[in-house]
Amino acid sequence: GQNIDQPTEMTATEGAIVQINCTYQTSGFNGLFWYQQHAGEAPTFLSYNVLDGLEEKGRFSSFLSRSKGYSYLLLKELQMKDSASYLCVAGAGSYQLTFGKGTKLSVIP
Amino acid sequence: DSGVTQTPKHLITATGQRVTLRCSPRSGDLSVYWYQQSLDQGLQFLIQYYNGEERAKGNILERFSAQQFPDLHSELNLSSLELGDSALYFCASSVDGQGGGYTFGSGTRLTVV
Repeated sequence: GQNIDQPTEMTATEGAIVQINCTYQTSGFNGLFWYQQHAGEAPTFLSYNVLDGLEEKGRFSSFLSRSKGYSYLLLKELQMKDSASYLCVAGAGSYQLTFGKGTKLSVIP
Repeated sequence: DSGVTQTPKHLITATGQRVTLRCSPRSGDLSVYWYQQSLDQGLQFLIQYYNGEERAKGNILERFSAQQFPDLHSELNLSSLELGDSALYFCASSVDGQGGGYTFGSGTRLTVV
């Protein structure tokens, strides 16, 4: 089966660092994606991890531990525009992506 | 602009009616996916087409159907609509349909009244 757990909501201060955790149980797992979704808009791709370790891309970094079924998204130097939902997405098999329900991040001044 | 085009952007219709949502994938992408996102819910995978053929089926109701045409655009048909079908319907496309990260359209917001 497929199961993804991530916190429902988080709040952080502008300029700070926030870490959004995700655990997954996915048969045939082949990679972990993070997407950003602003309310009422389409999800946009942020990162992809297939091997264990940290991938850094500007202010955003993503980490994966396949043995632990665990990933996190790290956002640095938070900006107000980072207020959005962050979706943890597990890839499996040859086609399927399973989306978590998302973590709604609120950035406050 | 992501390159994936969905029309219409908004649709309001009555219960029992039928609607068609349209998606044009990004140029060069062969695979099209349909997702449903109800209020405060995660994205639910409905169906995938690859180069005109159905490849995978998710939680798609029997009242719903889809197809991908030779020019690779796709249509999602929703019939006998119920209030609970009100949702955002997203289309996404990818090059090879192998589960890699893909590009979403801006969605169609369906409201059933």
